[in-house]
Amino acid sequence: AQRVTQPEKLLSVFKGAPVELKCNYSYSGSPELFWYVQYSRQRLQLLLRHISRESIKGFTADLNKGETSFHLKKPFAQEEDSAMYYCALGAGGFKTIFGAGTRLFVKA
Amino acid sequence: GAGVSQTPSNKVTEKGKYVELRCDPISGHTALYWYRQSLGQGPEFLIYFQGTGAADDSGLPNDRFFAVRPEGSVSTLKIQRTERGDSAVYLCASSLRATGADRTGELFFGEGSRLTVL
Repeated sequence: AQRVTQPEKLLSVFKGAPVELKCNYSYSGSPELFWYVQYSRQRLQLLLRHISRESIKGFTADLNKGETSFHLKKPFAQEEDSAMYYCALGAGGFKTIFGAGTRLFVKA
Repeated sequence: GAGVSQTPSNKVTEKGKYVELRCDPISGHTALYWYRQSLGQGPEFLIYFQGTGAADDSGLPNDRFFAVRPEGSVSTLKIQRTERGDSAVYLCASSLRATGADRTGELFFGEGSRLTVL
């Protein structure tokens, strides 16, 4: 079965603290993983994808096929990082499956 | 336009009525997707078009839901005999055809159409 699991609905951290948003996936093929973000009153947009292996806005994510995980990390959270984050799986044939999302709240 | 455009932004209808939701993708994007997002949930895949044809409609919940894209650009999601459980935000996204290792293109989303069935 193709599935994306984000175990935390809400994650609250203080400004400057490290943050890790967890994502686990289930997929029998070769996965493509993404993180999408939705800031307040904005549309859903791509944050980063695993094949690019890049850091966007200080966020990184490493695909761990052994643990079937793609956790999103940032060493020092900023208030403007507060948003809804969705982990997504490219499940072949252009089909993208989303997790339920984690709301990140960064406190001043 | 600069981005994916969806109309209407809000639709309130009565149970049993017929509803159409429209999506205008980014010019040149061959792939078009419909998702449904219920409160507290992530986007749920409904259907994907490559050009004019529905390449994958496995997410449509039942035969009351239908989508078309007759000219390979604008798409319409049609819901017959609406039910209260159909209330959700319907998201449209488009993407370029991916190549090589990038099998799944970046999705560009619209702002969504919020459907409320009373």
